[in-house]
Amino acid sequence: SQTIHQWPATLVQPVGSPLSLECTVEGTSNPNLYWYRQAAGRGLQLLFYSIGIDQISSEVPQNLSASRPQDRQFILSSKKLLLSDSGFYLCAWSILGVMETQYFGPGTRLLVL
Amino acid sequence: AQTVTQSQPEMSVQEAETVTLSCTYDTSESDYYLFWYKQPPSRQMILVIRQEAYKQQNATENRFSVNFQKAAKSFSLKISDSQLGDAAMYFCASVSGNTPLVFGKGTRLSVIA
Repeated sequence: SQTIHQWPATLVQPVGSPLSLECTVEGTSNPNLYWYRQAAGRGLQLLFYSIGIDQISSEVPQNLSASRPQDRQFILSSKKLLLSDSGFYLCAWSILGVMETQYFGPGTRLLVL
Repeated sequence: AQTVTQSQPEMSVQEAETVTLSCTYDTSESDYYLFWYKQPPSRQMILVIRQEAYKQQNATENRFSVNFQKAAKSFSLKISDSQLGDAAMYFCASVSGNTPLVFGKGTRLSVIA
């Protein structure tokens, strides 16, 4: 069966520091991968999605970037965090096309101080 | 562009009773999928139910069922025999064509013992 992992689970970082959040999927090949952000009390905002290695689409311009160095690994990064980057970050995967059901990881709580 | 609207920020239901959560969507696509996701206090997004737009029959999963009204672009979720563990945020979502998943802002469901 497929599983999706995210780490770290919780992160507290100072403003201006770098960020690296990692997501890995097991039990499937060539998944579509997604990064979402959820601010407190709000819905999900799609940040990036990837249909393959080095194929990444950005949905919202900001100081975040994403990379997919391996088929089942998706990394969310920032060179300098802003206070507004605080939130809950969710990684998700789906098979085949973007019409397929997305399955979510446990998420990372990020607090920027 | 797709939009998903959940007009009920909060709902409550007595344990063992039935509750219906509302969702409307807007899309110009003829082929699309609709989803309900549950987000418990752990904040992991869990798929509740999925409906393909080309299917006329309403999807059901145990105590969860949908009322899919395609002409009205309505997709409500009915939870029967509500349990304390059903308390969570519920998100309606839509995907079509090459457009990734679009979420509504969510409905917080409380279950009263």
